[in-house]
Amino acid sequence: LAKTTQPISMDSYEGQEVNITCSHNNIATNDYITWYQQFPSQGPRFIIQGYKTKVKNEVASLFIPADRKSSTLSLPRVSLSDTAVYYCLVAPGGYNKLIFGAGTRLAVHP
Amino acid sequence: KAGVTQTPRYLIKTRGQQVTLSCSPISGHRSVSWYQQTPGQGLQFLFEYFSETQRNKGNFPGRFSGRQFSNSRSEMNVSTLELGDSALYLCASMSSGGFQETQYFGPGTRLLVL
Repeated sequence: LAKTTQPISMDSYEGQEVNITCSHNNIATNDYITWYQQFPSQGPRFIIQGYKTKVKNEVASLFIPADRKSSTLSLPRVSLSDTAVYYCLVAPGGYNKLIFGAGTRLAVHP
Repeated sequence: KAGVTQTPRYLIKTRGQQVTLSCSPISGHRSVSWYQQTPGQGLQFLFEYFSETQRNKGNFPGRFSGRQFSNSRSEMNVSTLELGDSALYLCASMSSGGFQETQYFGPGTRLLVL
């Protein structure tokens, strides 16, 4: 599985847009990029998944450049409830032995 | 559609005891995976069941076992509990593991071993 690197922590304020970038230099052709959100003592929650270019849903956007060696999760107008750990995963679609790194701890301040 | 459910949500056991955790996947999902999450080791894959058969296994000792029933519900059993087994146990379900699928996680069972 491709190794991923993302910032350990980020701080933001309510109402701001937050962009979390993940590096995955060794991404394979059949790999998908998936982001999960996790609150303390809860299971990770699927946010968004993409293969290339841009993907958008009601929660977030995912930007993937042409070389796919990185990806950026964009959270528009964050609120206090977006304070959580965000994980970037790179794996073939349908892969079940997911390997979670340390993730990015996002703290949203009033 | 209802999400993945896990029972119980919290559990306290003592060393040497055994424990059984239960997971009900999203309706129609036939793949259930189990993970252990601890502050020190992060989220680690235990095993995956598909159509009542163990399809993949992580690097955990034989004290950790599981099974899946015909309705896709799964149970995980830990025998001879150790203090280090204290963790959040998560299960995740997926339709079949086909291309472009993703896993959906349950809320977890918090196990404390005293």
